[in-house]
Amino acid sequence: EDKVVQSPLSLVVHEGDTVTLNCSYEVTNFRSLLWYKQEKKAPTFLFMLTSSGIEKKSGRLSSILDKKELFSILNITATQTGDSAIYLCAVGSLNTGTASKLTFGTGTRLQVTL
Amino acid sequence: DGGITQSPKYLFRKEGQNVTLSCEQNLNHDAMYWYRQDPGQGLRLIYYSQIVNDFQKGDIAEGYSVSREKKESFPLTVTSAQKNPTAFYLCASTAGYNEQFFGPGTRLTVL
Repeated sequence: EDKVVQSPLSLVVHEGDTVTLNCSYEVTNFRSLLWYKQEKKAPTFLFMLTSSGIEKKSGRLSSILDKKELFSILNITATQTGDSAIYLCAVGSLNTGTASKLTFGTGTRLQVTL
Repeated sequence: DGGITQSPKYLFRKEGQNVTLSCEQNLNHDAMYWYRQDPGQGLRLIYYSQIVNDFQKGDIAEGYSVSREKKESFPLTVTSAQKNPTAFYLCASTAGYNEQFFGPGTRLTVL
């Protein structure tokens, strides 16, 4: 059974801090690892990683994948209160078809305080 | 504007009642998915469909049913056999092996 584990489960930081969120996985037929941000409703896409060691960056957020050790990290620098959300990690596996099936972790709840 | 819509936003169900959640997309995506999210938990896959007139069970399909008669639409029925249906339901779609796009969700509450 595919499995995705995120840590920590929750985190409270002060504005301006840097945080690192962790995601480890056990998935057969690995295709990709995705990070999503969920505030009130629908998760919004952040990154998709398919290759080891290549950092993806968007503003203050960055992420990297280690396919040998089966984990990924999401870094957020200079955190702001608007970064408060649940961050979901998901791993995509190859289906017998045209679409990717995702297995999600339980998420890390980040709260950024003033 | 392209996107995924879900309706209703909030839904209340009485014990023993079947209810249907709507999901529509105009992104021309082949694959569509239904997830359930409970407090403090991640998303769990209920059903998914890769093409019209075809769908597969996910990890927690018991008590749910779906249909895929049109590419744009993937409704989910929560039947009376689902003993604990109170949850937040999310629909998603994707083109190939790309990221999944999510609708705004339906919050279902059993009275």
